[in-house]
Amino acid sequence: AQSVTQPDIHITVSEGASLELRCNYSYGATPYLFWYVQSPGQGLQLLLKYFSGDTLVQGIKGFEAEFKRSQSSFNLRKPSVHWSDAAEYFCAVGVFWASGTYKYIFGTGTRLKVLA
Amino acid sequence: EAGVAQSPRYKIIEKRQSVAFWCNPISGHATLYWYQQILGQGPKLLIQFQNNGVVDDSQLPKDRFSAERLKGVDSTLKIQPAKLEDSAVYLCASSLTSGSSYNEQFFGPGTRLTVL
Repeated sequence: AQSVTQPDIHITVSEGASLELRCNYSYGATPYLFWYVQSPGQGLQLLLKYFSGDTLVQGIKGFEAEFKRSQSSFNLRKPSVHWSDAAEYFCAVGVFWASGTYKYIFGTGTRLKVLA
Repeated sequence: EAGVAQSPRYKIIEKRQSVAFWCNPISGHATLYWYQQILGQGPKLLIQFQNNGVVDDSQLPKDRFSAERLKGVDSTLKIQPAKLEDSAVYLCASSLTSGSSYNEQFFGPGTRLTVL
């Protein structure tokens, strides 16, 4: 069955440090992959997406992610974290469903805390 | 461009009461989604509309949840009667179409429901 695993529930980093959030997926076909960020009391905002092509994807707010098919991973990275990056991050895989629709399956999220 | 609008933002009810949430998608978006996000979990798709037709409601608890999208624009999600386990954030999202590769979903701010 299709699934998304985010093994780290919480991550704490110091401001200015680098960041990597892990995401592993299970899907039999070529996946469409997404990273969303959710600030407290807010909806989800798309950071970046991967459909095909270059496996290193650049997103907004200085984030990037790398698709590794052999590892079924789509890890999110940022070279220098800012205090405003504190939020919850969700990885999602887009799959075609039996009904012919296309929908997202989300991971359980990683809550990022940034120390001043 | 206006985003996805949802109301109310917060709702507190007693168990066995009924509640309704409203969503206005981005203008021109044919596909509308309702997600349930329980604390500590990722969003889970409840129902997906294409225009005013349901294309996927496989995870909607139909004995108590109902949703409609009259005229293919606004949508309402109802819970009747509510249970304690329905406490969650209900997110609405919309996209241009569900069949395209580039069908980024745009999320509203959500409605936080607390059932006492």
